Amino acid sequence: KNQVEQSPQSLIILEGKNCTLQCNYTVSPFSNLRWYKQDTGRGPVSLTIMTFSENTKSNGRYTATLDADTKQSSLHITASQLSDSASYICVVSAWGYGGSQGNLIFGKGTKLSVKP
Amino acid sequence: DGGITQSPKYLFRKEGQNVTLSCEQNLNHDAMYWYRQDPGQGLRLIYYSQIVNDFQKGDIAEGYSVSREKKESFPLTVTSAQKNPTAFYLCASTAAGGPIEAFFGQGTRLTVV
Repeated sequence: KNQVEQSPQSLIILEGKNCTLQCNYTVSPFSNLRWYKQDTGRGPVSLTIMTFSENTKSNGRYTATLDADTKQSSLHITASQLSDSASYICVVSAWGYGGSQGNLIFGKGTKLSVKP
Repeated sequence: DGGITQSPKYLFRKEGQNVTLSCEQNLNHDAMYWYRQDPGQGLRLIYYSQIVNDFQKGDIAEGYSVSREKKESFPLTVTSAQKNPTAFYLCASTAAGGPIEAFFGQGTRLTVV
């Protein structure tokens, strides 16, 4: 079964500090990997999307990396702000549709709390 | 504005009632999805539809039903057979082909009273 594992489950950091969130996946056939930010009680919003050939992609203070050989991705947040407090979800797409999982495989997310 | 709209934002259901959650998109996306989100768990797939008048069960379809009569709309009915329906429900849509960008609605929080 396709799986996406995220770590840590939760993280508390001080405002202004950097942090890195991890995502490991076993999804086949791999199409792309996305990181989403989800504020409490809201729908997820896309931060980055990377295909097989992309190693890194940035979106402001967010930088995602992808190692397709080891099937690992990371999301690095620079100079954290209070508004970064949210859950960050790694989503891996498999080519084609099928099965009870569909083609979007979700991690359980990392809950980030940024404290002043 | 293009997007995906869920309604209502909050919904209360009495025991034994069926309720229907609305999901509409104007992105011309072919595929639509319904997910359930519980605290501490990842999103779990309830149903998805690739095309009008066709849909497939996800991991947790029991107690739910859907229809896809129009490309823009994918309503979810939570039936009385769903024994633990209190959760946050998210609808998503994707275009066919290429790197698939998924867009999400803002969610519906369903509470059984």
